[in-house]
Amino acid sequence: NAGVTQTPKFRVLKTGQSMTLLCAQDMNHEYMYWYRQDPGMGLRLIHYSVGEGTTAKGEVPDGYNVSRLKKQNFLLGLESAAPSQTSVYFCASRGGTPYYGYTFGSGTRLTVV
Amino acid sequence: AQSVTQPDIHITVSEGASLELRCNYSYGATPYLFWYVQSPGQGLQLLLKYFSGDTLVQGIKGFEAEFKRSQSSFNLRKPSVHWSDAAEYFCAVGARAAGNKLTFGGGTRVLVKP
Repeated sequence: NAGVTQTPKFRVLKTGQSMTLLCAQDMNHEYMYWYRQDPGMGLRLIHYSVGEGTTAKGEVPDGYNVSRLKKQNFLLGLESAAPSQTSVYFCASRGGTPYYGYTFGSGTRLTVV
Repeated sequence: AQSVTQPDIHITVSEGASLELRCNYSYGATPYLFWYVQSPGQGLQLLLKYFSGDTLVQGIKGFEAEFKRSQSSFNLRKPSVHWSDAAEYFCAVGARAAGNKLTFGGGTRVLVKP
C-alpha cells in the first residue's frame, strides 16, 4: 500500500548539474503530475501526463523535462540546474475520475547552490 | 484560466477555538474544489472535496467547507481546533476538462496556541 513514492527525498546540486527525480505509483493511475512548492506561492504545476507515453506542459515548465515511458513512473529531469529551481517538488497521481482527488508523494527537497 | 486566492497567509488560533480559512476561486464554470492539509515535512492530504449537490461538505478530522457560488468561495471551518491541526492548508480548484489540472492557492499556515 505504498501509494506515490518519490526518490530521492533530499538532494543538493551545483549550478549546471543535471538530475532526475523519480515518481512511482502502484495504484494503476492514469494521470500523473509534477508540482513545485515555494513559500507563499502554493503549488505550481510543472508538467503532467494523462497516460503512458504522454506528457504536457503545466504552468512553469521551463528548465524541466519529463517522461512517462511506463504507466507507473513519471520522471522529472533538470538538464542544467539553476538556483531558481531550489524548491520542494511533489508528484501526484489520480485515477480516471477526479472525484477522489490526487494522491501526493512526500516530496523531494532540492537545493541548487 | 482558473485561479485560487487564500487571503490569509497566517492564522493563529487558540486550542478549542473555532477556525475558518478563506478561499476564493475564479473559474468560468462550476469547478471541482478541494482542501488539502500539509503537516511539516509531509506531503498533502485530502481533507474534503466538492463536486456537486449539497454545498456543505464534511471531511476528515472534523473539518467542513461550504461552497457559495454567488461569492465564488469555498471556506473551510472547524468548530474546535486541536493542537494537531497546526499545519498549512491549501485550497485547490480543478477544471472539468481533460487532465483535470488542479490549481492551488498560496496556502494558509495555521498556528495553534495552547
